[in-house]
Amino acid sequence: NAGVTQTPKFQVLKTGQSMTLQCAQDMNHEYMSWYRQDPGMGLRLIHYSVGAGITDQGEVPNGYNVSRSTTEDFPLRLLSAAPSQTSVYFCASTGLGSHYGYTFGSGTRLTVV
Amino acid sequence: GENVEQHPSTLSVQEGDSAVIKCTYSDSASNYFPWYKQELGKRPQLIIDIRSNVGEKKDQRIAVTLNKTAKHFSLHITETQPEDSAVYFCALDTGRRALTFGSGTRLQVQP
Repeated sequence: NAGVTQTPKFQVLKTGQSMTLQCAQDMNHEYMSWYRQDPGMGLRLIHYSVGAGITDQGEVPNGYNVSRSTTEDFPLRLLSAAPSQTSVYFCASTGLGSHYGYTFGSGTRLTVV
Repeated sequence: GENVEQHPSTLSVQEGDSAVIKCTYSDSASNYFPWYKQELGKRPQLIIDIRSNVGEKKDQRIAVTLNKTAKHFSLHITETQPEDSAVYFCALDTGRRALTFGSGTRLQVQP
């Protein structure tokens, strides 16, 4: 039981490049969400999903796309990376049977130069 | 969207003293209130949580209180130890099953 797995752990991108941050969970959780954490700040919600095929925007969705084709996976796409997207990205999941407890991945540290 | 205000931003206490961190919110639909501890370079770690139908919850040296009327909730750490030094975040869920976080409190416990 791996919980929430995020890949890669570290990534350096050039401005304008695209990439996908992967997030997978093996707990059959219905709900998944993406957050970014800038230095010295709290986590901010980017996008979230309440089930396969259903996604919605959080507080800071601009520049990011998501999809949820399966219950297990919730990838985050950066279409054209900008230096302002340099941050640590966390994925989390929770389920109806988990009494609201959220499981976080270990994070992806992204630097855009 | 929902806004969560967290105070203080930094807190320094002597070992053995108590520490209190407070968060206020505006959305009355908020129904789940977790507190996380984050060490440098690590993911947030849940230390205690409370649901909207409970006013207080305690786990050894850590307690959380919730005042739904006044829309605030607080983290209380008693008998602080140097290993309690970290950044603490409050958060809440308004029912959409995603979290809104406070801005964090850097707690320093002086030996």
